[in-house]
Amino acid sequence: DAGVIQSPRHEVTEMGQEVTLRCKPISGHDYLFWYRQTMMRGLELLIYFNNNVPIDDSGMPEDRFSAKMPNASFSTLKIQPSEPRDSAVYFCASSFLKTGSSYNEQFFGPGTRLTVL
Amino acid sequence: GQNIDQPTEMTATEGAIVQINCTYQTSGFNGLFWYQQHAGEAPTFLSYNVLDGLEEKGRFSSFLSRSKGYSYLLLKELQMKDSASYLCAVSGGYNKLIFGAGTRLAVHP
Repeated sequence: DAGVIQSPRHEVTEMGQEVTLRCKPISGHDYLFWYRQTMMRGLELLIYFNNNVPIDDSGMPEDRFSAKMPNASFSTLKIQPSEPRDSAVYFCASSFLKTGSSYNEQFFGPGTRLTVL
Repeated sequence: GQNIDQPTEMTATEGAIVQINCTYQTSGFNGLFWYQQHAGEAPTFLSYNVLDGLEEKGRFSSFLSRSKGYSYLLLKELQMKDSASYLCAVSGGYNKLIFGAGTRLAVHP
């Protein structure tokens, strides 16, 4: 399996521009998570989906952030307009509950390093 | 509120044993996870505890005490490749993980 795929791996943009981050979860996984990681705040959950439906978006910082999951194999996280404080590594993760297991192991993608100038 | 505490940094010597502690206060509890994250890479799953006690997996073991809101990760026979950040995370239900800030472990020869 290819694992969770994210693109782009690096993004440098100017303040005010729109940024779109993309994620392809592992095939068969029914949960998808978007995280943001910074030195100051650590790894923060932004939003997660179950079967393509957003379940909890309480971690989304503000209206400038939006996320969609149009189908089971694709999700986007959009920032519009971007600001320098949005600079961080954004991780996508996916999981599913194995039969007989009591927990969901989350598999993380390689992340997108976003720099907003 | 939600609060997960772990030491910021630790150092240890190759071949030694190190214990990384984690204390938590969360509104719900469906288990505690430990993840390893090497610099510039994604977190990877190490262990899961939902019942009190010790779970052993090779050189790594994880302990949980739910009544004390306490867990630790024990790393034995340390190797240089174990230099990484170790993230404690609590599952509060519905597969939602809340992560601690992480403990950066440096292993020296």
